[in-house]
Amino acid sequence: QKEVEQNSGPLSVPEGAIASLNCTYSDRGSQSFFWYRQYSGKSPELIMSIYSNGDKEDGRFTAQLNKASQYVSLLIRDSQPSDSATYLCAVNLSNDYKLSFGAGTTVTVRA
Amino acid sequence: DAGVIQSPRHEVTEMGQEVTLRCKPISGHDYLFWYRQTMMRGLELLIYFNNNVPIDDSGMPEDRFSAKMPNASFSTLKIQPSEPRDSAVYFCASSPAAGGADTQYFGPGTRLTVL
Repeated sequence: QKEVEQNSGPLSVPEGAIASLNCTYSDRGSQSFFWYRQYSGKSPELIMSIYSNGDKEDGRFTAQLNKASQYVSLLIRDSQPSDSATYLCAVNLSNDYKLSFGAGTTVTVRA
Repeated sequence: DAGVIQSPRHEVTEMGQEVTLRCKPISGHDYLFWYRQTMMRGLELLIYFNNNVPIDDSGMPEDRFSAKMPNASFSTLKIQPSEPRDSAVYFCASSPAAGGADTQYFGPGTRLTVL
């Protein structure tokens, strides 16, 4: 089992719709969770971090964390063509500043 | 503020040659990370430093890879000798020491092609 797994893509959504991305992790002791966005040919860019169970909203992005289920998700509301990118889930598995990344989910927003 | 700076941005070399990748972290950041990204394996951590000291190099694939951080503003990743399977994008990232030390900021990457 991989340490961090993401739902397989690619994910295609129409403009204005909600894109839902899912991520599960193996280490129940994990404390820090991140979503990075990576445009084609560019470096990963941090868009959300979440540390506590529940929802965290930032603009059109909402991260959801459920530690009991070892599950973290990212919702993108009112999706725009500029949201078309690969989204990487990252987890600090052992609190030693190492991040483990999922394989990524590629999102395409259709105009 | 300047972000993480990496050089070169692109490197093409022949099998067996030595390759040196360079990184300048964000000023004041105490942690520096080297990653490799390929289509097959995704984003993998190779090694990370805290205050210029290597903390974990368990991700370094083999002895052909070495990394150094001689001071707080400079790090190198060296591959000697290089092989075609080393072709990848290599990212450097840095983190502050306090308040989210695991929040990492990535440089633009070096795309390495080994022929």
